Amino acid sequence: GQSLEQPSEVTAVEGAIVQINCTYQTSGFYGLSWYQQHDGGAPTFLSYNALDGLEETGRFSSFLSRSDSYGYLLLQELQMKDSASYFCAVRSYSGNTPLVFGKGTRLSVIA
Amino acid sequence: NAGVMQNPRHLVRRRGQEARLRCSPMKGHSHVYWYRQLPEEGLKFMVYLQKENIIDESGMPKERFSAEFPKEGPSILRIQQVVRGDSAAYFCASSPPGRSNSPLHFGNGTRLTVT
Repeated sequence: GQSLEQPSEVTAVEGAIVQINCTYQTSGFYGLSWYQQHDGGAPTFLSYNALDGLEETGRFSSFLSRSDSYGYLLLQELQMKDSASYFCAVRSYSGNTPLVFGKGTRLSVIA
Repeated sequence: NAGVMQNPRHLVRRRGQEARLRCSPMKGHSHVYWYRQLPEEGLKFMVYLQKENIIDESGMPKERFSAEFPKEGPSILRIQQVVRGDSAAYFCASSPPGRSNSPLHFGNGTRLTVT
């Protein structure tokens, strides 16, 4: 099976940079995904790393290192609206397996 | 292009009643997934369906829970004889056929409260 570990909570100041780490244990998998979920809302897709390295999309970047079984989501120029839960997720190669999510990191952005 | 539609948004049931949760995937999507989320926790996979087929139900309790995705109409997650522990948010997600690494598109969820 797969397991993913992320910090449960992170607090950061508006305008700052924050990094949310994700370590995982899984056999071959397609890539590492990140989803954002605001309180009471639906999870929404943020980014996907199929290969090692950094992927940048606006203020958000995501990184993957398969050799280290590690990835992170980097949020720059934090805004109050970034306060949400962030989930990393993987899908194994084996068979028709679903996307497995970590327990999520609750980010609080403070003024 | 409408997103994933789930209804009802909120559902209250008394212990022992049945709960039916509906999900219409995005247009063109033939893969449907159901996840359960307890407060302050992550998304736990329940079942993965394609039209008229259950592909993976490894996350679904063996008793009282069932799911279907008929040829016509929405996917249904059915919980019989609900208990308080079934209270949770249930999210449906869909993805297009043929691409195993496609991102999932989630609905707004159904929040089930069992009294």
